[in-house]
Amino acid sequence: QVQLQESGPGLVKSSGTLSLTCSVFGGSINSYYWSWFRQSPGKGLEWIGYVYYRGTTKYNPSLKSRVTVSVDTSKNQFFLNLTSVTAADTAVYSCARYNPNMVSFDYWGQGALVTVSS
Amino acid sequence: QSVLTQPASVSAAPGQKVTISCSGDTSNIGMNWVAWYQQVPGTGPKLLIYDSNERPSGIPDRFSGSKSGTSATLGITGLQSGDEADYYCGSWDNVRDSYVFGSGTKVTVL
Repeated sequence: QVQLQESGPGLVKSSGTLSLTCSVFGGSINSYYWSWFRQSPGKGLEWIGYVYYRGTTKYNPSLKSRVTVSVDTSKNQFFLNLTSVTAADTAVYSCARYNPNMVSFDYWGQGALVTVSS
Repeated sequence: QSVLTQPASVSAAPGQKVTISCSGDTSNIGMNWVAWYQQVPGTGPKLLIYDSNERPSGIPDRFSGSKSGTSATLGITGLQSGDEADYYCGSWDNVRDSYVFGSGTKVTVL
């Protein structure tokens, strides 16, 4: 059973960079696409972007200028960097596996709250 | 603010059936598969339905999905207390070039 676990600072200063790690357990990160989402009361569920295990990326156009998603196959981890954060970026951030055979996200982490402080 | 439209809440007694609608347009549901996700507060979403009407391994057949035109529907029969959760529909959107979600529907078992 594939399991995903988010980790990283729960508090980030305004104008700084939000950085999160997603660790994949119970399966190899080699193959499939690996994705980030966020969820806030005001905006609901929002797809941020994904990285293929070989490094190809795709991002939500609304966040593209500030987002980088990367992968380290040797550690079975992938990463999210979001720059120039503001209070509007406060949310629960989740990672998930995208399965193109199912055209959906079939395994998810439990999510991690990140608060942007002034 | 969500791209796909869902009712805010539905409710029914144990053992009864509920349906949740998800309305989109030709750039998303009209052209792409729909998935449904269940989220218990404090946990990550769980995939219930993919390809509009297929269940992943381990999902009981009490859960069903359908799609017609630019709308999709999730059905839950034999409602149980453990089904209390938020349910989201999702689909790729060719115009927005993103994966988009519904606003979520809270299911309450009376």
